[in-house]
Formats: sequence, C-alpha cells, structure tokens
Amino acid sequence: GAGVSQSPSNKVTEKGKDVELRCDPISGHTALYWYRQSLGQGLEFLIYFQGNSAPDKSGLPSDRFSAERTGGSVSTLTIQRTQQEDSAVYLCASSPESAYTYEQYFGPGTRLTVT
Amino acid sequence: GQQLNQSPQSMFIQEGEDVSMNCTSSSIFNTWLWYKQDPGEGPVLLIALYKAGELTSNGRLTAQFGITRKDSFLNISASIPSDVGIYFCAGHSNYQLIWGAGTKLIIKP
Repeated sequence: GAGVSQSPSNKVTEKGKDVELRCDPISGHTALYWYRQSLGQGLEFLIYFQGNSAPDKSGLPSDRFSAERTGGSVSTLTIQRTQQEDSAVYLCASSPESAYTYEQYFGPGTRLTVT
Repeated sequence: GQQLNQSPQSMFIQEGEDVSMNCTSSSIFNTWLWYKQDPGEGPVLLIALYKAGELTSNGRLTAQFGITRKDSFLNISASIPSDVGIYFCAGHSNYQLIWGAGTKLIIKP
C-alpha cells in the first residue's frame, strides 16, 4: 500500500515568510509525528497526534510553529515568520500505535531552506 | 529527560567487514527499534525488538534487546556498498520514540 507522503519535497522561502508543510499518513494509522532534522544531525521531535486526543506539542521550538491534523488523517505543519535557523528537513511519520507495535513509518521529508 | 547514547558516531570500514553499533540508556525501554536513513530519504525501519533478551535477524542484520532493557546493539555482517547510510536506534517509552544521534557508516573503496 501507499506509504507516508509529504509535500512539497523542497521549499525555499524568504526570511519572515510563512510556510505550510503537508503530511499524508498511511491509511488507518492513528498516530502521526513531526520531526525536524538539521544537516547531519539526528531527529528532533516536534509534535505528536494520537487519534482524537489533544496533541503533544512539547517539542515545538517556539510559538512560530504550529500543526493541525484534520479528520484524523492529513496534517499540516505551519512555520510563521520563518528564520534562517528553521532551515532543515522536516520529517513526518505515522504509526498504527496498537498495543503491539510502536513502529513509525516515515515520509521522504520536506527540505526547507530559508534565505 | 530520557536520552540514548549511540556509538560509534561514525564508522569507516572495508567492504566485507562486519559492523557493530550500540545504544545505551539510563532508562528502561519496552521497545527498541533500529532504522536506516539514506541521503535524501526518511528513515526506514530495519528491526523491531519487543522483549528483553530478544535476538532478531533480518538478512545480514542482527539486533538484540538487552536483558536490562537499557541497551541494544545492531550487527551487520559482510558489509556491502549499499549498507552506507546513517543508522538510528530508538527506544519506545510512553507514546514517544527517544532517538539516538545516529551512526554514520562509510565503506572505504
């Protein structure tokens, strides 16, 4: 079946502009995660959605970052007033989050460059 | 907060050599996962471990869930050029995966 998809694959924006990044999780997966990965670095957790529960926003680095998940499926990560330090690859992952597995499946990421 | 220590940070090996990397934590995890990330791609799940002491293989890859539940290792036997990439360990606690910083595998020609 289809995996996690993300769009756009690349985004170049000017400092101060707002950007929206989209994630389509695997159908039926109840959990959705956003991560940020700077060049050559590990994964930085941003936000987690599980079903209809309130999202865990503890990883968002500032109030310029927000995310929504509509209808328990598609998610949008919004970065307002982008800064150069926001440049990174933004990865989305989904998980079935059953009692038996916590495996996360990743999309290809969106490479964001803030000029 | 919980942290994972993954080592080594990078490895330079000859094709055909065996590779070993590990992750340790001061906290107990219920699940250990190993991922590989190729350039320009998202991480791909290699092996999932759910029981302390569990030893699981996937082709040339073997991973173990430490008996103390605080560590895990990944071995790659007879490395080949397509093994290059960054390998991440991740431990599951509550509803989050805690990630290691990655081990970059480079194969010398």
